Amino acid sequence: DADVTQTPRNRITKTGKRIMLECSQTKGHDRMYWYRQDPGLGLQLIYYSFDVKDINKGEISDGYSVSRQAQAKFSLSLESAIPNQTALYFCATSDPLAGGRNEQFFGPGTRLTVL
Amino acid sequence: GENVEQHPSTLSVQEGDSAVIKCTYSDSASNYFPWYKQELGKRPQLIIDIRSNVGEKKDQRIAVTLNKTAKHFSLHITETQPEDSAVYFCAAGYSTLTFGKGTMLLVSP
Repeated sequence: DADVTQTPRNRITKTGKRIMLECSQTKGHDRMYWYRQDPGLGLQLIYYSFDVKDINKGEISDGYSVSRQAQAKFSLSLESAIPNQTALYFCATSDPLAGGRNEQFFGPGTRLTVL
Repeated sequence: GENVEQHPSTLSVQEGDSAVIKCTYSDSASNYFPWYKQELGKRPQLIIDIRSNVGEKKDQRIAVTLNKTAKHFSLHITETQPEDSAVYFCAAGYSTLTFGKGTMLLVSP
């Protein structure tokens, strides 16, 4: 089945380290998103990309950067990790041609702990 | 930008009861309103959605209603079952989505 995958699934790192989270999809979708989930705060959009040459900041982009290497790959980087970036990170994709429905398909998530 | 408020934050019901979760949004340009269910340790998954040209949509035990004038939409689950226990998120938007903070639904046998 076409899917969205994320690596790693769990990561523990130290303050100041550079971390990259990777997302790959076999759905053939042009649109990809990175979200952060904290308990009680829902899903907050970090960055999104509507195609390989399009990158946009979301509501909480400070401290993060992204790279869209190909239609199927979208990576999230923390240049210098800090403890308050400890969270569950989700990648998602959507198909803009889905009849006006912006249904987003989520990956399994990456649990990041910054010590 | 869009702002989505979701209530209640927690909801406990007995098996067989109905559950209602409500959301309000601020941006009149939003035209797509999905609801996601997230079970413990799992990814969010779409359970039902509605577009702004429709006032109500139903799929078996779940239904969503939309009032564009008042900028609010609601999820209705009837005949709740223990497997309905999860966190439910509403969202609103068009090219991107803004999510509510979630409702933890607990259905007791």
